[in-house]
Amino acid sequence: GDSVTQMEGPVTLSEEAFLTINCTYTATGYPSLFWYVQYPGEGLQLLLKATKADDKGSNKGFEATYRKETTSFHLEKGSVQVSDSAVYFCALSPPPFTQGGSEKLVFGKGTKLTVNP
Amino acid sequence: EAQVTQNPRYLITVTGKKLTVTCSQNMNHEYMSWYRQDPGLGLRQIYYSMNVEVTDKGDVPEGYKVSRKEKRNFPLILESPSPNQTSLYFCASSPIREWREGRSKETQYFGPGTRLLVL
Repeated sequence: GDSVTQMEGPVTLSEEAFLTINCTYTATGYPSLFWYVQYPGEGLQLLLKATKADDKGSNKGFEATYRKETTSFHLEKGSVQVSDSAVYFCALSPPPFTQGGSEKLVFGKGTKLTVNP
Repeated sequence: EAQVTQNPRYLITVTGKKLTVTCSQNMNHEYMSWYRQDPGLGLRQIYYSMNVEVTDKGDVPEGYKVSRKEKRNFPLILESPSPNQTSLYFCASSPIREWREGRSKETQYFGPGTRLLVL
């Protein structure tokens, strides 16, 4: 079945450091890909998404490019801030007409990021 | 304000005592879903609903029930909770995608979560 694998955490960085969180997926067809962020004590918020190969999603300085050839959707940010400390989830949504409902989100296990001043 | 609300936010209960966690959205979304979040496992789908009176199992439905009598509400029912259902639960909703284009254009909106402890 469909699955998402993201790098194990936790990740600890200093402010202004470069961030990469790796995410690879297994799916049939062309899923949509997402990064969600969960700040401490809160629910999940959509950070960015991409719906087809070579699309780049971006938001709040974060970017991720849908790479069909490597089945990857790595999250990057050039200069992290303390306020970026959170848990980041990579997720996919299967293509239409998929058994089980294609609105379903399949999540990775999450990567906890801590940014120190 | 567009939102998904869940109640209660925190709940401590004992094994076997039936409980219901409510979920409500004010965005007229067709699709609603329940997930549980456990350390090291990420989020896993419990049940989902494509519209009123249409529900189906997700990946981990055992021990749970749901109903969708109204479009805005999607309660999660634990008839006889057990300690392995101790978890953080999230409700989510979204519009149904445009099938013609075959792409996901819609974002899922998540509730704030319900932390459940079953003793």
